[in-house]
Amino acid sequence: GAVVSQHPSRVICKSGTSVKIECRSLDFQATTMFWYRQFPKQSLMLMATSNEGSKATYEQGVEKDKFLINHASLTLSTLTVTSAHPEDSSFYICSARAFTRAVTEAFFGQGTRLTVV
Amino acid sequence: DAKTTQPPSMDCAEGRAANLPCNHSTISGNEYVYWYRQIHSQGPQYIIHGLKNNETNEMASLIITEDRKSSTLILPHATLRDTAVYYCIVRDGGSQGNLIFGKGTKLSVKP
Repeated sequence: GAVVSQHPSRVICKSGTSVKIECRSLDFQATTMFWYRQFPKQSLMLMATSNEGSKATYEQGVEKDKFLINHASLTLSTLTVTSAHPEDSSFYICSARAFTRAVTEAFFGQGTRLTVV
Repeated sequence: DAKTTQPPSMDCAEGRAANLPCNHSTISGNEYVYWYRQIHSQGPQYIIHGLKNNETNEMASLIITEDRKSSTLILPHATLRDTAVYYCIVRDGGSQGNLIFGKGTKLSVKP
């Protein structure tokens, strides 16, 4: 199946700094990628939809100026957490869709564990 | 909101079959049933999907009732590595939108 690579897998940063997370589709092109956030013992919650060459679409309650998304190519989307605070500590996961087996399937990155200290 | 209902947790003995149920009583005619699982601290992994016929692949089998209002994911010989949260999701097979995750079922495979 299609592969989505996410980097880094784990990052610790100080309060007030920014962190960039990369999401790459390795063997297919993705005009749309999705960014999810998952808090402990909870399910994945969609943060934003990243569209190649245009602005991202953010879910209600997600601050677009805090979570900057850039989707400059068909294989790369980045999420930058700006001025990170401890409450931003979470598991961030990206996803891309590919048309395989006669339906569109979602493929997920490995996730990034962000800890803000 | 998720359109599926799953039990919050299940246990299964290693080597036995794990049968995970899912109710999707409001499923529409063009919606598929997808199953994903998430092992701790990893991204979700695709398992299987189906429309109305039963499906089988190298990971699992999917049994969908004739009225399509419920389905069962079967792991024929569960191993300790199958311990994960299993998500049942229904959506249009051609949709380019995001997946909506419910709470899933935490499957614990025990030796």
